Amino acid sequence: GAGVSQSPSNKVTEKGKDVELRCDPISGHTALYWYRQRLGQGLEFLIYFQGNSAPDKSGLPSDRFSAERTGESVSTLTIQRTQQEDSAVYLCASSLGVAAGYTFGSGTRLTVV
Amino acid sequence: GQQVMQIPQYQHVQEGEDFTTYCNSSTTLSNIQWYKQRPGGHPVFLIQLVKSGEVKKQKRLTFQFGEAKKNSSLHITATQTTDVGTYFCALGPTDKLIFGTGTRLQVFP
Repeated sequence: GAGVSQSPSNKVTEKGKDVELRCDPISGHTALYWYRQRLGQGLEFLIYFQGNSAPDKSGLPSDRFSAERTGESVSTLTIQRTQQEDSAVYLCASSLGVAAGYTFGSGTRLTVV
Repeated sequence: GQQVMQIPQYQHVQEGEDFTTYCNSSTTLSNIQWYKQRPGGHPVFLIQLVKSGEVKKQKRLTFQFGEAKKNSSLHITATQTTDVGTYFCALGPTDKLIFGTGTRLQVFP
């Protein structure tokens, strides 16, 4: 597609449930990133994929968070046993490489009740 | 770790006034990028600066990279209501961008 696609756009889940967020990057973009943005706050780095290299998971806040990417295409971010502090907008971005501008998706707004 | 301070945190201006946001790093940067996020939207890439002292312009927006490559500024001349949003600097490249805290701009008609 022409842009980065994320689904679902909104997700309300009960505390303790698992959720899976999906990101379709721009075709040909080798780099894919996940960021978290709490209400009124900045962007918090979570994880980064570059081609077939091992992902940089240094931003994942706990072992309840994990992410996968199939080759240079779709990525999923999974949050297990969700907590209220996980409520945020989860943004995915892709780029042509480390020195290129990012194209962000519209995000998934996660609300844990 | 790398710290990214943006000032001011908020700025309210009358339409037609100028606006400037500053981004300061505790370390020397390889490059810096700027993004704009409209209310309820997602960040949109504006520009990348690479060279020491570099100045780039996009219509009413002027971006500058400091001589020591530790700071940057974004200046908007004669703001319009369409300029409303949050402006983020982002430090790189290493392998991922570290985003500043952002400056929220409100423009009153």
